[in-house]
Amino acid sequence: AQRVTQPEKLLSVFKGAPVELKCNYSYSGSPELFWYVQYSRQRLQLLLRHISRESIKGFTADLNKGETSFHLKKPFAQEEDSAMYYCALSTQGGSEKLVFGKGTKLTVNP
Amino acid sequence: DTGVSQDPRHKITKRGQNVTFRCDPISEHNRLYWYRQTLGQGPEFLTYFQNEAQLEKSRLLSDRFSAERPKGSFSTLEIQRTEQGDSAMYLCASSLTGGHLEQFFGPGTRLTVL
Repeated sequence: AQRVTQPEKLLSVFKGAPVELKCNYSYSGSPELFWYVQYSRQRLQLLLRHISRESIKGFTADLNKGETSFHLKKPFAQEEDSAMYYCALSTQGGSEKLVFGKGTKLTVNP
Repeated sequence: DTGVSQDPRHKITKRGQNVTFRCDPISEHNRLYWYRQTLGQGPEFLTYFQNEAQLEKSRLLSDRFSAERPKGSFSTLEIQRTEQGDSAMYLCASSLTGGHLEQFFGPGTRLTVL
């Protein structure tokens, strides 16, 4: 069965500090990994996905198949990064439904 | 078309009542998904449609739940004989087909069963 684990429920950093949100997954196939973000009073939206290898809002994430991880990183956190972050895995073929982790609430303090 | 819309945004009902939620996807999207999110959890997949065909249902979707997408456009999710455990945020998402494309989420319908 597919599973996504985000070990930190809450993460608090100061503005300008580096931030890393951890994500580990288990899936027997070839995974597609995503990070979704939900800002306060907004809907869930895609932040980035591993296949596009982009940096969005200064965030990057590298898929490490050996460690089955897809950690989200940003070198200098900003207050506007405060949000709920969800790591998600998309299953192969068929529905390509998303399997989400429980989320990490990031707070960036001034 | 400014995105996925859901109606109502909030619903409070008494245990045993039936409720129906509506989702309007982005117009050109042929895939439509329903997810459920409870407090402290990430969204959990319920079911999905490719055009009007319901192609997959989660084991979470008991026989009290039924979803339709009659003309391949909007979708409805009905819960019969609601239970307190059905209290959750119900999210709808839509996407184009193929290649793990981005799913666009609606604002959700928050259901409270008293």
